[in-house]
Amino acid sequence: NAGVTQTPKFRILKIGQSMTLQCTQDMNHNYMYWYRQDPGMGLKLIYYSVGAGITDKGEVPNGYNVSRSTTEDFPLRLELAAPSQTSVYFCASSTGDNNQPQHFGDGTRLSIL
Amino acid sequence: GQNIDQPTEMTATEGAIVQINCTYQTSGFNGLFWYQQHAGEAPTFLSYNVLDGLEEKGRFSSFLSRSKGYSYLLLKELQMKDSASYLCAVRSSGGSYIPTFGRGTSLIVHP
Repeated sequence: NAGVTQTPKFRILKIGQSMTLQCTQDMNHNYMYWYRQDPGMGLKLIYYSVGAGITDKGEVPNGYNVSRSTTEDFPLRLELAAPSQTSVYFCASSTGDNNQPQHFGDGTRLSIL
Repeated sequence: GQNIDQPTEMTATEGAIVQINCTYQTSGFNGLFWYQQHAGEAPTFLSYNVLDGLEEKGRFSSFLSRSKGYSYLLLKELQMKDSASYLCAVRSSGGSYIPTFGRGTSLIVHP
């Protein structure tokens, strides 16, 4: 039972570098989400998608981009890494039905130095 | 927007009962979720409430009062493994039905 898979688990970037955080799910969920979690701050929504080809901004989208070309995959792109983007990133998916919870990946721990 | 408030930290003794509160202000309420998150791990689903009242699931129960904008998670017979962060998330039409998370409550269970 793979569920939601995120890669890489850890990464260190230099300021100004770019990278893509990968997320894939095998539950055929329509909804997918990207959150960042900073110490003591809870989960902040970066971007979400309600289906292939459809994406929308969350609470903190600046500095990030996403795409959703397939139901399974929802990569998150950082174009010009900044120290403020040091965080733990969680990808999640759900059916979108009212009472159905989100399923989270194990997270990517990203440090930008 | 939405405003969700939880205590930052709580401590309790093994075997005891603890109640973790969550208050929210939102328009078009459409459900409240509780998640558990152990340090360094992903959040995992605990419970869902959309109607007023108590939902019981083994040692864990969750209560909702929509008129008061209030929920609590009740943990009974606490075990050391219950030491974790507990996240309250609210779904509403005001937030495009995408759950918004509170900051979480860090629960420390000691012997």
